[in-house]
Amino acid sequence: GAGVSQSPSNKVTEKGKDVELRCDPISGHTALYWYRQSLGQGLEFLIYFQGNSAPDKSGLPSDRFSAERTGGSVSTLTIQRTQQEDSAVYLCASSPTAVRQETQYFGPGTRLLVL
Amino acid sequence: ELKVEQNPLFLSMQEGKNYTIYCNYSTTSDRLYWYRQDPGKSLESLFVLLSNGAVKQEGRLMASLDTKARLSTLHITAAVHDLSATYFCAVLSFGNEKLTFGTGTRLTIIP
Repeated sequence: GAGVSQSPSNKVTEKGKDVELRCDPISGHTALYWYRQSLGQGLEFLIYFQGNSAPDKSGLPSDRFSAERTGGSVSTLTIQRTQQEDSAVYLCASSPTAVRQETQYFGPGTRLLVL
Repeated sequence: ELKVEQNPLFLSMQEGKNYTIYCNYSTTSDRLYWYRQDPGKSLESLFVLLSNGAVKQEGRLMASLDTKARLSTLHITAAVHDLSATYFCAVLSFGNEKLTFGTGTRLTIIP
């Protein structure tokens, strides 16, 4: 079956511009996660959505980062006024329910380069 | 704050040999995950360890969890080239759904 999909696969932008990254979770999965993978920081949790509950935004590094999930399915991660340190691979994952009982299924990632 | 350490960071081993990757974490948890990542690819789930003493095996890989020692191991038996990848452990904090990842172990199997 279809896995987690992300778009775009690669994004090059200029410092100061806004970017939007999209994630389509596996159909029926209620939990959705965003992570960031960079050389200097490894894999970092950003934000978590579970059903209609308020998201856990504790991993967002600054107020330039925001995310939303529409209709309990597709999610968009927005980075405003991008900085060079935002360059990383942004990974989305989903799981059928809360992760305490399930593993997370990761998408292929969006490689973001801020010039 | 939960910290997760893996060692070694880099591991180069010959085909046919056995080795173990270690994952230590700093605070109490009962949920630990192992993932594999190939170069330029995303993360693939290998094991989910949900209780103290849990042991899971898949092919040449075996993972175990000791929650009292806050330690998980990933044991590789008779390594083959296809196992070359980066392996991550990740620990779930109590009270939330946030996974904290280790630094990763980059494994290279030499023919």
